[in-house]
Amino acid sequence: EAGVAQSPRYKIIEKRQSVAFWCNPISGHATLYWYQQILGQGPKLLIQFQNNGVVDDSQLPKDRFSAERLKGVDSTLKIQPAKLEDSAVYLCASSLNARGDETQYFGPGTRLLVL
Amino acid sequence: AQSVTQLGSHVSVSEGALVLLRCNYSSSVPPYLFWYVQYPNQGLQLLLKYTTGATLVKGINGFEAEFKKSETSFHLTKPSAHMSDAAEYFCAVSGPSGSARQLTFGSGTQLTVLP
Repeated sequence: EAGVAQSPRYKIIEKRQSVAFWCNPISGHATLYWYQQILGQGPKLLIQFQNNGVVDDSQLPKDRFSAERLKGVDSTLKIQPAKLEDSAVYLCASSLNARGDETQYFGPGTRLLVL
Repeated sequence: AQSVTQLGSHVSVSEGALVLLRCNYSSSVPPYLFWYVQYPNQGLQLLLKYTTGATLVKGINGFEAEFKKSETSFHLTKPSAHMSDAAEYFCAVSGPSGSARQLTFGSGTQLTVLP
């Protein structure tokens, strides 16, 4: 079974530029998550989708971050404009459903450096 | 609200020695508890989880954890460390309903295995 795919793996941009990340979840997984992992910290949920609808985006900085999951499969996360503090690893995860006891499967992440 | 505290951001053990990584949680609902491992430049991989039933949970690679409600703890152990166990370990908590279903991570413990 193929895992969660993410691209690109690394990205370096200057502040105020825009950047987009792509995620393809495990086939059949209805729930998709985007996490931000700052160096030395645990992952923090940014947004959760159930199929193509948003379940939770309470921690997404909506003035600069946006995400979509058209057709309920793959997803993109965009930052525009980027700030220095956005330097982090962006992890995508998926699960069969949104139950709290469900295992989340993580992709390898995209490491973003904002200069 | 729920939270996780991992005592010790760095733990070093000798190869063959006992591994003990500490995790305490706070939750207003019956918790679901998880341990994930992250190898360098990779995403998170589930080691084990507690949802209901037996409080001693066995996971992959010889790891196990015990849910102790009275101590609000879910410490991770392995009888004999291998060099390949060197990685970062994250404890996480979620719950059965509402916003508690969101997975909340601790800040992680970096495990070093000395030859």
